[in-house]
Amino acid sequence: DTGVSQDPRHKITKRGQNVTFRCDPISEHNRLYWYRQTLGQGPEFLTYFQNEAQLEKSRLLSDRFSAERPKGSFSTLEIQRTEQGDSAMYLCASSSRGGEVYGYTFGSGTRLTVV
Amino acid sequence: QQQVKQSPQSLIVQKGGIPIINCAYENTAFDYFPWYQQFPGKGPALLIAIRPDVSEKKEGRFTISFNKSAKQFSLHIMDSQPGDSATYFCAARSGGYQKVTFGTGTKLQVIP
Repeated sequence: DTGVSQDPRHKITKRGQNVTFRCDPISEHNRLYWYRQTLGQGPEFLTYFQNEAQLEKSRLLSDRFSAERPKGSFSTLEIQRTEQGDSAMYLCASSSRGGEVYGYTFGSGTRLTVV
Repeated sequence: QQQVKQSPQSLIVQKGGIPIINCAYENTAFDYFPWYQQFPGKGPALLIAIRPDVSEKKEGRFTISFNKSAKQFSLHIMDSQPGDSATYFCAARSGGYQKVTFGTGTKLQVIP
């Protein structure tokens, strides 16, 4: 499978706990994006990596959120001290420099439920 | 601030009908307009995309119409099938980072 892989697919956590999600992009893609999608809404941009450099962060990404992409390969998104409002689908996407032709390729997402 | 406005929120058509989904934008810096299709439990998948210097693009049963002066674009699905039942998102890309801004989505149901 050469698509974007996300792990885990589902995560249920108690409020206040920390969670970490992983994204493995398409190997030749140097650009990686994290989005968040709540029920009935379109995905909202969280952050963008070009290789290992985090080049843009949304204001939606509070201090409790941190993302990294060591060595420009896989990426992790960590949420500290989770709140019920963090419940959402977290989507990872990747693209190459020529993304205008193929656009983003999204993974299937990690659905987070904070109870 | 919603930069890409999408309507309708939901749409029900008979098989063979032509659903039309409309979107509007304000930011003239957008340089690429993709449409994504999303099935339940899956991430969005690129369906078709258009540049603002083109007024229409057709791929199979899917057609994008683009009106640059009105800053509006729409998706038409010809001969719709029950398998087309999904949520459709219009989107717009800006900047060198290729960041994509999504509309709020249209849930399409095609009735047999």
